[in-house]
Amino acid sequence: AQKITQTQPGMFVQEKEAVTLDCTYDTSDPSYGLFWYKQPSSGEMIFLIYQGSYDQQNATEGRYSLNFQKARKSANLVISASQLGDSAMYFCAMREGRTGNQFYFGTGTSLTVIP
Amino acid sequence: DGGITQSPKYLFRKEGQNVTLSCEQNLNHDAMYWYRQDPGQGLRLIYYSQIVNDFQKGDIAEGYSVSREKKESFPLTVTSAQKNPTAFYLCASSNNPRDSLSGNTIYFGEGSWLTVV
Repeated sequence: AQKITQTQPGMFVQEKEAVTLDCTYDTSDPSYGLFWYKQPSSGEMIFLIYQGSYDQQNATEGRYSLNFQKARKSANLVISASQLGDSAMYFCAMREGRTGNQFYFGTGTSLTVIP
Repeated sequence: DGGITQSPKYLFRKEGQNVTLSCEQNLNHDAMYWYRQDPGQGLRLIYYSQIVNDFQKGDIAEGYSVSREKKESFPLTVTSAQKNPTAFYLCASSNNPRDSLSGNTIYFGEGSWLTVV
């Protein structure tokens, strides 16, 4: 079974609008961390935001927030006030407490911001 | 500046040739990783190392080899046994989690493009 599932291969959003990128995960470990990364066309991977499995509140970092729904095993990324520079691939990832050193990545979502 | 340096950025390999991708980090991280990314695809783990002189196979280790003789270095060799090596290769590092809730993220290099000619 896939550890991380991103069901949206591509998304479009109007500039200045908000967009939600979906991510669901699969683990039986009660201790885990969830991460989102941005990959622009240059190829570098940029860390955006982190959510721990025991965190009570949703993580926020500037215009990024993580909609963490533990019972549904979902960790959707919300980007508010989209900018042209947000156009990129976005990857959801998970790190489990048991294995610790393995990061499991989804297949990514390509986001295009339309002026 | 602290970070991960991959070289070369672009590499061309002839059929039957072995090539080595370099990865150096000065973040004092214990764990290092190699991922392969095909166009429009996600990341697949090739090898990872939690400590010097130790490494484990990932999901697609066949046709690749690594070494971890120094904490800061984790070179990847793409051997002639790898039949379809054309891809983007990403090296990464992280701290060993004493607690996965610590939020220790994984940091990436800028990647290396390998093309078979």
